[in-house]
Amino acid sequence: DQQVKQNSPSLSVQEGRISILNCDYTNSMFDYFLWYKKYPAEGPTFLISISSIKDKNEDGRFTVFLNKSAKHLSLHIVPSQPGDSAVYFCAARINNNDMRFGAGTRLTVKP
Amino acid sequence: KAGVTQTPRYLIKTRGQQVTLSCSPISGHRSVSWYQQTPGQGLQFLFEYFSETQRNKGNFPGRFSGRQFSNSRSEMNVSTLELGDSALYLCASSPGTGGRYTFGSGTRLTVV
Repeated sequence: DQQVKQNSPSLSVQEGRISILNCDYTNSMFDYFLWYKKYPAEGPTFLISISSIKDKNEDGRFTVFLNKSAKHLSLHIVPSQPGDSAVYFCAARINNNDMRFGAGTRLTVKP
Repeated sequence: KAGVTQTPRYLIKTRGQQVTLSCSPISGHRSVSWYQQTPGQGLQFLFEYFSETQRNKGNFPGRFSGRQFSNSRSEMNVSTLELGDSALYLCASSPGTGGRYTFGSGTRLTVV
C-alpha cells in the first residue's frame, strides 16, 4: 500500500535553475511531512519538514509547499547546486511516529 | 554525539539461511524503526519499536521480525532468506514522541 508516491524517479536540472520535486499522498490522516536527502552509501538525512496546519515552510534555498486539498507536496530548491545531486525521499507521518516514505526521486544538477 | 550505528555494513547469505542485523540508536532515543530499500520501491516500512515493544508494523511477512532491548538497541531477524530479500536495510532512531528520524548508514544484504 503505497500511501506516499513520488511519480518521477529522476529529475535533471541545470546549475542555478530551480528544482521542483513532487510528492502525492493518499492518507488524509498524515499530520507531518518531511523531505530526506540520501547520498550513495549513506543513510537518508533530514532536509526540511512541514506540519499539516501550514502550507509553506522555508529554509534557505529549500522550500516545501503543502496542498492538503490535493494531497500534494513539493520541494523547491533555488538555486540548484551540483552538491544537491542525490536521491530525495518524501515522507509522511501518522500516529505520532509511524513514518511512510515514497520511492524517491534522483536529482541530478548539471554544472 | 554518536550517530545511529548499524552492523554489519555488508552481508552475503545463502537462500534459506537466516540473518540478524543490529542497530544502536542515538543515546536517549527510545524509538527504532526499520526500513527496507530496494530500487524503485523506496523505503518500505518494516516495523517500529518503542521501549522494547513493537508499536507499528508494515506489510512484511512473518519471516521478518525484530526486537528491542532495554538499552534501546534493536535487532532485526530475517529467516528462510529469499533472493528478493537482497536490499539495503536501514534503521532510524528518534526520541519516539514525534521527533525526526536519524538514519544509520544501513546494512547491505545480498542473498545468493
